[in-house]
Amino acid sequence: AQKVTQAQTEISVVEKEDVTLDCVYETRDTTYYLFWYKQPPSGELVFLIRRNSFDEQNEISGRYSWNFQKSTSSFNFTITASQVVDSAVYFCALSEAGGTSYGKLTFGQGTILTVHP
Amino acid sequence: NAGVTQTPKFQVLKTGQSMTLQCAQDMNHEYMSWYRQDPGMGLRLIHYSVGAGITDQGEVPNGYNVSRSTTEDFPLRLLSAAPSQTSVYFCASSYSGAVPEAFFGQGTRLTVV
Repeated sequence: AQKVTQAQTEISVVEKEDVTLDCVYETRDTTYYLFWYKQPPSGELVFLIRRNSFDEQNEISGRYSWNFQKSTSSFNFTITASQVVDSAVYFCALSEAGGTSYGKLTFGQGTILTVHP
Repeated sequence: NAGVTQTPKFQVLKTGQSMTLQCAQDMNHEYMSWYRQDPGMGLRLIHYSVGAGITDQGEVPNGYNVSRSTTEDFPLRLLSAAPSQTSVYFCASSYSGAVPEAFFGQGTRLTVV
C-alpha cells in the first residue's frame, strides 16, 4: 500500500524567511510519480510540480525548489523568500505509473503554511 | 478552455436524501476521479475511471456510486446521505503518459444535516 506523510501540520513564518515543507512517501512500486499541489484560501487545487521516480534531479522554479531523494523516500519543497501570497495548504501526493494508475493519487495530510507580513 | 467543471459549488442535504454531484472535463482526458477532503486527512480517493464504461473503487467508496457513459462526464451519486459524508468533494481528470498530473475542479462543499 502507498502512503504519504507530511509531518508538519502547520508552519508559520515571517515574510522573506525561507521555509521547507517535508514529504516522506512509501511505495512498493519501482515506477511512480510524485506531485505537489497548492490549495490557497479560495479552495482550488493548483498543480505545482511532478517528478517521476527515475528523475532525481532537483528542480528550481523561481522562488520554489524541490529536492527528491529516493534513498530517504523524500520529496521536500522549499520556498525561498516567502511572501504572504504563499499562504496556503500544500499537499504532497504519489501515484503509480502506468496501466490504470494515473488517476489514483495518494495524498499526504497537508501542511498549512501561514506567511505573516 | 474550461478544464474540469463541478456543480454545484455548495449543497445542503438532509440525512437520507440522495443527490448527484456533476463533473465534466473538456480536455479529452481518459482518467477521472473523485476525492473527498476532510480536515487533517488530506484528500482520499472515492472512485475513479480509466475510460468510458470503466469504473473502480478507491479508498472510501461506501455510500457513493459512479458511472461513466462518456469521456467528458463522471457524476458522483450519494445514495442516502449521512452526516459522515459532510465534506468537500473534488473531481479530477488526468491524461496518461507524458502528462500524468491530475487537474481538479473547484470543489463542492456538501453539508449533510
